[in-house]
Amino acid sequence: EPEVTQTPSHQVTQMGQEVILRCVPISNHLYFYWYRQILGQKVEFLVSFYNNEISEKSEIFDDQFSVERPDGSNFTLKIRSTKLEDSAMYFCASSEKAADEQFFGPGTRLTVL
Amino acid sequence: SQQGEEDPQALSIQEGENATMNCSYKTSINNLQWYRQNSGRGLVHLILIRSNEREKHSGRLRVTLDTSKKSSSLLITASRAADTASYFCATDVVQGAQKLVFGQGTRLTINP
Repeated sequence: EPEVTQTPSHQVTQMGQEVILRCVPISNHLYFYWYRQILGQKVEFLVSFYNNEISEKSEIFDDQFSVERPDGSNFTLKIRSTKLEDSAMYFCASSEKAADEQFFGPGTRLTVL
Repeated sequence: SQQGEEDPQALSIQEGENATMNCSYKTSINNLQWYRQNSGRGLVHLILIRSNEREKHSGRLRVTLDTSKKSSSLLITASRAADTASYFCATDVVQGAQKLVFGQGTRLTINP
C-alpha cells in the first residue's frame, strides 16, 4: 500500500543551523502538508502546498520556514536558523484532493541543542 | 472549548470491552478525520466522515457525526491490547481549507 515516507527519522542540530526535512508524498497525491507536534502537545498545522505554491500557512510558519517541491517526488521543509523551540516531531502529509483523507508520514524528530 | 476537543482525555478499559471517545468542535467543517498515534510514532489515518454523513463503519470502528451539536464519536468494539494508543480527531474547516485542526487526543489503554 502506498505510504508517505520521511527522512531522516531523527535530526539533531545546533541552534542557528539550517535543517532540511525531506518527504516523499504518495505518488498520485496533489496536496502536501507539514505539521509539527511538540512533545506532549497536539499536532499543529504549518503549511499546505498545491500546484507548486503555498495554499495556506499558519502563524508558526514565519520567514524562517520554507517549503519546496524540487522534483516530481520530494517535498521539503527548510528551517533556516533553528531555535530551541523548533524541537518537535515534524510530520509530512499528502492527500489526493482538497478536503480528502490526509495520510501522514512517520515523522522526523528534530532536536535543537 | 477549542476546535477539535476530545473527551475523555484518558480512558482505561479491559480487553474485549468497547471504547467510546468523543470530539467536539466549534466551526463548520468539510469533514472530520480520526487518527491513531502510538507513543512517539506517526499518525495512522483511521476514518474520514464528511459533513453530510451521519455514521460510518470500518471494521471494528464506528464513527458518528452530529453537525447540529458539532460533535463526533469514535467507537472501537471488542477492544484489543493493540488498540492501546492516543486517538485524535481532526477537523477540516470550511474557511481556510486544506488544513486539519487537531484536538489534544484521548489516551486509550486496553488492559489484558
